[in-house]
Amino acid sequence: NAGVTQTPKFQVLKTGQSMTLQCAQDMNHEYMSWYRQDPGMGLRLIHYSVGAGITDQGEVPNGYNVSRSTTEDFPLRLLSAAPSQTSVYFCASNRQRGTGEQFFGPGTRLTVL
Amino acid sequence: KNEVEQSPQNLTAQEGEFITINCSYSVGISALHWLQQHPGGGIVSLFMLSSGKKKHGRLIATINIQEKHSSLHITASHPRDSAVYICAVKGGATNKLIFGTGTLLAVQP
Repeated sequence: NAGVTQTPKFQVLKTGQSMTLQCAQDMNHEYMSWYRQDPGMGLRLIHYSVGAGITDQGEVPNGYNVSRSTTEDFPLRLLSAAPSQTSVYFCASNRQRGTGEQFFGPGTRLTVL
Repeated sequence: KNEVEQSPQNLTAQEGEFITINCSYSVGISALHWLQQHPGGGIVSLFMLSSGKKKHGRLIATINIQEKHSSLHITASHPRDSAVYICAVKGGATNKLIFGTGTLLAVQP
């Protein structure tokens, strides 16, 4: 199993550009989520999904969109990038039931100029 | 005040020392996670616990639900243990995690 994969690993955008961060998992996990990690702050939840076709907002959803058309994929879209979105983004997944162990992707380091 | 507080924020130890990292939380929880993040690296789950104590190799995690407190212990610390250790709690019926800001551990040879 590849676990949770994210692409790209690094990205530089100009203000106003849009892009999609890709996330995929091959563990058949129902629950997937996107976090951002900023210096001095804990990971913050952007959006999450409890299954295909179901998404909801987290703590810091503004400026981001998500969709979940399949169990495996959970892309995060930046609609119009802003310098405040410079951060490291992590995708994670886990089973709804069972141990609930969290599996994280390797992260995407995004810089918005 | 953050719902999840970790202490210390930074910790430097000599190789071989016994290390303790603390996590206190202010909300009702169904589970607590300890995670490890190496510099520039991804995040790995170490433990998930809802009561008592768990041990994996040199790592031990304990939780006291009544006191809303958990500790992560590392015995016989090694430079490869140098990382950020993150505490996260899962509240009630929700699957959402609330994260602490992490403890940066440096183990010197």
